Amino acid sequence: EAEVAQSPRYKITEKSQAVAFWCDPISGHATLYWYRQILGQGPELLVQFQDESVVDDSQLPKDRFSAERLKGVDSTLKIQPAELGDSAMYLCASRLGPGSSYEQYFGPGTRLTVT
Amino acid sequence: SQQGEEDPQALSIQEGENATMNCSYKTSINNLQWYRQNSGRGLVHLILIRSNEREKHSGRLRVTLDTSKKSSSLLITASRAADTASYFCATAPNNNNDMRFGAGTRLTVKP
Repeated sequence: EAEVAQSPRYKITEKSQAVAFWCDPISGHATLYWYRQILGQGPELLVQFQDESVVDDSQLPKDRFSAERLKGVDSTLKIQPAELGDSAMYLCASRLGPGSSYEQYFGPGTRLTVT
Repeated sequence: SQQGEEDPQALSIQEGENATMNCSYKTSINNLQWYRQNSGRGLVHLILIRSNEREKHSGRLRVTLDTSKKSSSLLITASRAADTASYFCATAPNNNNDMRFGAGTRLTVKP
């Protein structure tokens, strides 16, 4: 069964350092999402891509976060510089696209710890 | 910002009992979905109910939707220890396809 891949699974970094996460969605899924999930809370949308275009990044802290999906397939989320408050699980999800099922498929996530 | 709110925040039951979780939301929706998350893992889609539906079943899951009260419930019947997880409702507002998740209900099923 096709799955969303994410790497790394765990990342420990010091504050002020740069960190990057990678996501490979299910093949053929045009819509890709990055979420941040703080322990004990639900996922919060950071950015949504439709193919290579950003559809919604209204909740992305653009002073330190950036996301790209250059060829409309895999995606990278970067934080620079990392802050203590960025410690969270970062989840990637994908979906076929507009007009298709609303169901999103999630990857296993990247657990980020900023020290 | 989060749209849905689950209730209760935590629920502990014995294996074989039924578990009921509730979700309230604020704006008009296109559909509502329930997801499960095992500890430290990604979310898994359970069931979707559209705004024009009132009840939906999938195996041991039963979901209801009351759009007049802006609320939904998820019932898990004959619970198993493997059902131990966090359960989230997610709503898709009418004006876009983005989903907003609640804070979740942490379910513990004791063997």
